[in-house]
Amino acid sequence: QKEVEQDPGPLSVPEGAIVSLNCTYSNSAFQYFMWYRQYSRKGPELLMYTYSSGNKEDGRFTAQVDKSSKYISLFIRDSQPSDSATYLCAMSAGAGNNRKLIWGLGTSLAVNP
Amino acid sequence: DAGVTQSPTHLIKTRGQQVTLRCSPKSGHDTVSWYQQALGQGPQFIFQYYEEEERQRGNFPDRFSGHQFPNYSSELNVNALLLGDSALYLCASSFGLGNSPLHFGNGTRLTVT
Repeated sequence: QKEVEQDPGPLSVPEGAIVSLNCTYSNSAFQYFMWYRQYSRKGPELLMYTYSSGNKEDGRFTAQVDKSSKYISLFIRDSQPSDSATYLCAMSAGAGNNRKLIWGLGTSLAVNP
Repeated sequence: DAGVTQSPTHLIKTRGQQVTLRCSPKSGHDTVSWYQQALGQGPQFIFQYYEEEERQRGNFPDRFSGHQFPNYSSELNVNALLLGDSALYLCASSFGLGNSPLHFGNGTRLTVT
């Protein structure tokens, strides 16, 4: 079993839809959770960064972490064609010296005009 | 504000050759991490440099080595290239060894023939 599981999709939605992207994980030591967006031929771009459980909102994006279920989500409201990209979840354990992010495979999203 | 820059953008090498990839961190960042991303996969952590020392290493053989310079820029060297080393190599920078989020460059696409 992989430490982080993410459905690779592809996911196709109409413009304006609410998109839900999810990851599950097995390591209960993970405390820091991130969502990155990656356009074709580009590096990952940080979207959301959360610590421990709870919700965080930034514009059209909301990140949720449920540590009891080992489940994280990213919601995109009023999706736009420019949101078409691969969305990667990443997480790490501990504080301080740990930069060893563990990544999901990424979910490919297409938002159709 | 210059982001993370990587060079070259593309590279084609032959099996057995050696390659050097370069990275300049985002302004104000002093820590550099390297990742390997195969097609359709999430990034895999190679190693991290801080204060010109390798601080953490992922599950990569000794053929992968690196260096960090006093100006915080970094190099990734891969010796005795294998076909399986073909991937997108990503550099990420951050500040210190705490939990500041990683900022990625657009990567170097390495093809080994």
